[in-house]
Amino acid sequence: EPEVTQTPSHQVTQMGQEVILRCVPISNHLYFYWYRQILGQKVEFLVSFYNNEISEKSEIFDDQFSVERPDGSNFTLKIRSTKLEDSAMYFCASRGPRTGGNEQFFGPGTRLTVL
Amino acid sequence: AQKVTQAQTEISVVEKEDVTLDCVYETRDTTYYLFWYKQPPSGELVFLIRRNSFDEQNEISGRYSWNFQKSTSSFNFTITASQVVDSAVYFCALSVNPGGSNYKLTFGKGTLLTVNP
Repeated sequence: EPEVTQTPSHQVTQMGQEVILRCVPISNHLYFYWYRQILGQKVEFLVSFYNNEISEKSEIFDDQFSVERPDGSNFTLKIRSTKLEDSAMYFCASRGPRTGGNEQFFGPGTRLTVL
Repeated sequence: AQKVTQAQTEISVVEKEDVTLDCVYETRDTTYYLFWYKQPPSGELVFLIRRNSFDEQNEISGRYSWNFQKSTSSFNFTITASQVVDSAVYFCALSVNPGGSNYKLTFGKGTLLTVNP
């Protein structure tokens, strides 16, 4: 069964460093998302991506964040200068080609720890 | 703006008990979609079910059942004869699409279900 994959599973970085989180969505999906979950809290929407551009972003997704689909398979989230408060689990999700509220399938997440 | 409320923060039951997880949602959109996701201790988010706003038929799938009531804006989830493996955080989520192709998910805060042997 196709699944969303994410690498790395755990990333530890120093404050101020750049990190890139990688995702490989399900191959025939067209809509891609990043969410984050601070430990013990709810899952929050960061950004959605369709047709090679951002379709919506939350207030969390400031200028330090960017997304890219560089090669038609990978979907990346970059944080340019990490802060302590960026420590969280980051989930990538993808959604199928039909219109409508199709379920989003989530990757296993990348746990980001900023020291 | 959309909002999902899961009033139950934690529920603890003994194995084989039935348990219902509550979810109340708010949206001004007439077309919307509701979801339940399960997050086991390993951390991944597992899709359980989707319901469309125009389909109020309730569903049973094995030990799981869902009760969608538009009149009370509720989408509750029941596990019958709970098992230890059901222990997880359960999230209710809502998506709408006001003129775009986004369908971002708005999650509730989750309910931690602990099933004790």
